[in-house]
Amino acid sequence: DTGVSQDPRHKITKRGQNVTFRCDPISEHNRLYWYRQTLGQGPEFLTYFQNEAQLEKSRLLSDRFSAERPKGSFSTLEIQRTEQGDSAMYLCASSFSSINEQFFGPGTRLTVL
Amino acid sequence: SQQGEEDPQALSIQEGENATMNCSYKTSINNLQWYRQNSGRGLVHLILIRSNEREKHSGRLRVTLDTSKKSSSLLITASRAADTASYFCATDAGGLSRLTFGEGTQLTVNP
Repeated sequence: DTGVSQDPRHKITKRGQNVTFRCDPISEHNRLYWYRQTLGQGPEFLTYFQNEAQLEKSRLLSDRFSAERPKGSFSTLEIQRTEQGDSAMYLCASSFSSINEQFFGPGTRLTVL
Repeated sequence: SQQGEEDPQALSIQEGENATMNCSYKTSINNLQWYRQNSGRGLVHLILIRSNEREKHSGRLRVTLDTSKKSSSLLITASRAADTASYFCATDAGGLSRLTFGEGTQLTVNP
């Protein structure tokens, strides 16, 4: 499978716990994006990387959120001290450049109890 | 209000009919993309249309773009029950790398 993959697909955690998600982009894509989607809404941008550099972060990305792409390949998104409001689908996408299509992974659904 | 806004919010048609969804946006763009999302799943890329293009086809899909009106439409011809999904338009508002999505159109195709 050469598409974008995400792990885990589902995560249930208790409020206050830390969680980490992983995204593996399409191999030749140098741009990687994270979005969050709540029920009935379109995805909202969180952050993106070009290679290993994090170039933009949304105001939605509070200081409890951190994303990394250490070798310019896979990326991780960590949420510390989770809150119920963090419950959402976290989507990763990758693209070859800024003017090309963004291809999405299947998402990680987070439920914070 | 959001950069991309789809209209209608919900559309229900019979199999074989055509479905048209519209998207409006506010700022200049380099391109506009349409995605499909089945319930609880990731987004599937359908088509990208650039700001210098007016129309694009892909199989049963036809997308138009009117930059003077800041609007786009997605036409699905000869719809099938499997086309039932949410459809989103997304723009690179102001030429930024990130995509800005609308709230989507929920399409139901009844067999």
